Amino acid sequence: EVRLVESGGGLVQPGGSLRLSCAASGFTFSDYWMHWVRQAPGKGLVWVSRINGGGSTTNYADSVKGRFTISRDNAKNTMYLQMNSLRAEDTAVYYCVKEGFTGDFDYWGQGTLVTVSS
Amino acid sequence: VLTQSPATLSLSPGERATLSCRASQSVSRNFLAWYQQKPGQAPRLLIYGASTRATGIPDRFSGSGSGTDFTLTISRLEPEDFAVYYCQQYGSSPLYAFGQGTKLEIK
Repeated sequence: EVRLVESGGGLVQPGGSLRLSCAASGFTFSDYWMHWVRQAPGKGLVWVSRINGGGSTTNYADSVKGRFTISRDNAKNTMYLQMNSLRAEDTAVYYCVKEGFTGDFDYWGQGTLVTVSS
Repeated sequence: VLTQSPATLSLSPGERATLSCRASQSVSRNFLAWYQQKPGQAPRLLIYGASTRATGIPDRFSGSGSGTDFTLTISRLEPEDFAVYYCQQYGSSPLYAFGQGTKLEIK
């Protein structure tokens, strides 16, 4: 059974930093692209970032480029999102997501809430 | 950019639901997916490749379309189908994009 478990969310002040983690199990982690997708309270889904199976290729949404860094440790079956220079508009539930065969997102974690507020 | 319509759809159990997703440019290789999200839950993949049902998805859910126009159809609504539905594309700019969602509510 595929399982994705996020952790690391919480309350942080504007300009602060936070690191999210996603522990994966139930599949060969290193074979798949992995993503972060976020959802602001009461709003829709927004793609944030992705990383390939080997960790050598990453992409970011324009809204987080230069502030967020995605990485992974395949030995630990874990993906990370380092978030710096956080802004109020980064407040959201952050989902860890596994990519399927055609650019779709076939498995989602339960999400972790990040609140940026003074 | 993906535009979903209608924003809200009010129907009764047993009725047929038709949700639309229109892309501003052609979706490459029909890399178009549909998700269902219930309150307090993560989204769930329903359809990928525009028309292929994901594992465990009932056959009352079907996807169709190509190019810029896509449709999610629920043939006979069950009480558990009332939720928010999102379409999502891969491959154009931006790399991944979601529609703004359609809320399917009980009439």
